[in-house]
Amino acid sequence: GQNIDQPTEMTATEGAIVQINCTYQTSGFNGLFWYQQHAGEAPTFLSYNVLDGLEEKGRFSSFLSRSKGYSYLLLKELQMKDSASYLCAVRDSNYQLIWGAGTKLIIKP
Amino acid sequence: DAGVIQSPRHEVTEMGQEVTLRCKPISGHDYLFWYRQTMMRGLELLIYFNNNVPIDDSGMPEDRFSAKMPNASFSTLKIQPSEPRDSAVYFCASSTGGSFSGANVLTFGAGSRLTVL
Repeated sequence: GQNIDQPTEMTATEGAIVQINCTYQTSGFNGLFWYQQHAGEAPTFLSYNVLDGLEEKGRFSSFLSRSKGYSYLLLKELQMKDSASYLCAVRDSNYQLIWGAGTKLIIKP
Repeated sequence: DAGVIQSPRHEVTEMGQEVTLRCKPISGHDYLFWYRQTMMRGLELLIYFNNNVPIDDSGMPEDRFSAKMPNASFSTLKIQPSEPRDSAVYFCASSTGGSFSGANVLTFGAGSRLTVL
């Protein structure tokens, strides 16, 4: 079967750095996405990786290792507004998105 | 652009009643997706359309669920009869090229929160 694993919940301190991991086992791979979802709101796109390596976008970076079936989202200089759920999604060989359950990130002052 | 527009934002109904959720995708987007999100099951794809044609409805839970897209700017998801287990947030999303090429990004609507009593 297809599976995406993420930690259920993480806590970090304002101003610090946090890494949210995602491991996947899917039927093929055609890209990995990270979405942010604030409570009661819709998911919004953060990043996309299709090749191995690090993609940086401001305070957010996303890393991919296809051989290990592994990705992480790195958030730097955490702000209170970063409190949200972070969803990892993999596009499989049929170009269908497989979604993880999401990681709820709690930022403390 | 106003983004993906969904209505109603909240719906409370009684078991057995018909529920209709509506979605207006972003103009120019040729793919439309209906998702359901619950705490237990996360985000689940119910059905998606390409150029108004249903492509994959394998995620539709059962015959009580139906979806239509009569034109490029409007889609409905109908549940008849509704049951308490249908309580969830239903999201509509649209994109160009579906999720099939490059970093095609899904733009989600604000969601319709359905509660079936």
